This record gives sequence, C-alpha cells and structure tokens, in this order.
Amino acid sequence: GDSVTQMEGPVTLSEEAFLTINCTYTATGYPSLFWYVQYPGEGLQLLLKATKADDKGSNKGFEATYRKETTSFHLEKGSVQVSDSAVYFCALSRGRGSQGNLIFGKGTKLSVKP
Amino acid sequence: ETGVTQSPTHLIKTRGQQVTLRCSSQSGHNTVSWYQQALGQGPQFIFQYYREEENGRGNFPPRFSGLQFPNYSSELNVNALELDDSALYLCASAVAGMLTSGANVLTFGAGSRLTVL
Repeated sequence: GDSVTQMEGPVTLSEEAFLTINCTYTATGYPSLFWYVQYPGEGLQLLLKATKADDKGSNKGFEATYRKETTSFHLEKGSVQVSDSAVYFCALSRGRGSQGNLIFGKGTKLSVKP
Repeated sequence: ETGVTQSPTHLIKTRGQQVTLRCSSQSGHNTVSWYQQALGQGPQFIFQYYREEENGRGNFPPRFSGLQFPNYSSELNVNALELDDSALYLCASAVAGMLTSGANVLTFGAGSRLTVL
C-alpha cells in the first residue's frame, strides 16, 4: 500500500544552519505531497504542498520539490531559526477522490539551538 | 475566521469505558476527518464525514464511530476503550471541492489527548 518514509530524528542544528529532512514515498498513481509542521501543544499546520511532478512548494523560507523519478519530496531551508523548532511530517494523498485521507510519515523532530 | 476547535483537550479514562470527542469545523468547511496520533508517530486516518455520512475509513475497528451534524461539527466515539487507544486525536476540516480537486488542504485542530488507564 501507499506509504511515506522520512528520516529519523531528532535533528539538532545551530541557528542559521542549512536544513534537509528527507522524505520518500510509495504510491500508485499521482499523489499530492505535503509537509506539515506541529509546534509543541498544537495541531498540524500545512507548511507547503505540491500536486504534480516537478512542482516546488515553498513557504516561510522552506522549500520542497516533487521528484517523481526518485519518489522524493525533501524539505529544505537555507537558514533555520530557533522558532523553526518543531516536528515536521511528510504526507501524501492519492489526489482526486482521496476522501480527506492523508498518509503521514512518522515525523522528524527538529531542535534549533541559538 | 475561526479555525478547528476540539474538546476536551485532555481526558483520562479506564479500560472498557466509552469516550466522545467533539470537533467544530472551520467556518465554510463541510467535511471532517479524524486522525489518531500515537506518541512519537504520525497521524493515522480513522474516517471522514461528509453530508452527515461516513465517506472513507481507515484500518480501525467498528468500536470507533462518528457523527457529523447539520452544522458540520462532528463527534468521534470510541467504545470499549483499550490501553492502545491512548493517543492524540486530531480533527481536520476542509471544503469538499478542494478535496476532490486533489489539493486536499486540511485544517487541523489542536487535538484531544486521551489517556486510557
């Protein structure tokens, strides 16, 4: 079945460091891909998305490109801040008719130190 | 616009009891999905409601059931609670048209944390 695999955490970085969180997926058809972020004590917030191959999603300095040839959607940010400390989830939906069913990875906890 | 609100935020139950969790969807949204997030794991899809009917279900037993009301709010009911039901339960709402377009933009609430002793 469909699945999402993301790099194990936790990831600890110093402020202004470069961030990459790897995400690969297995899916039939043409899924949409998402990154969600969960701050402590809060629900999930959509960070960015891409709905077709070669699309680049971006928001708040974060970027991810939908790579169908490598079935990947890696999250990157050039310079992280302490406020970026959170848990990041990669997710997919099967697209049209997906019925609100997102398949999530296990999450990667990011801690950014000043 | 108000977001998705869930209640209660925390609750403790014992094995065998029943629990009801509530969710008010974001203004303008007409579908509600429920997810279970165990500690250290990603959320898992339980089911979705649209037009007051279940419209998709994940791999959860029948003791997980739900309702959607005419105002699009929703309830999640879990009967015969087990220790493994301890988790954060997330509600998410969306506009049905956005889901069928493939964009699938869900807005999540902060969750209800259930502890089963």
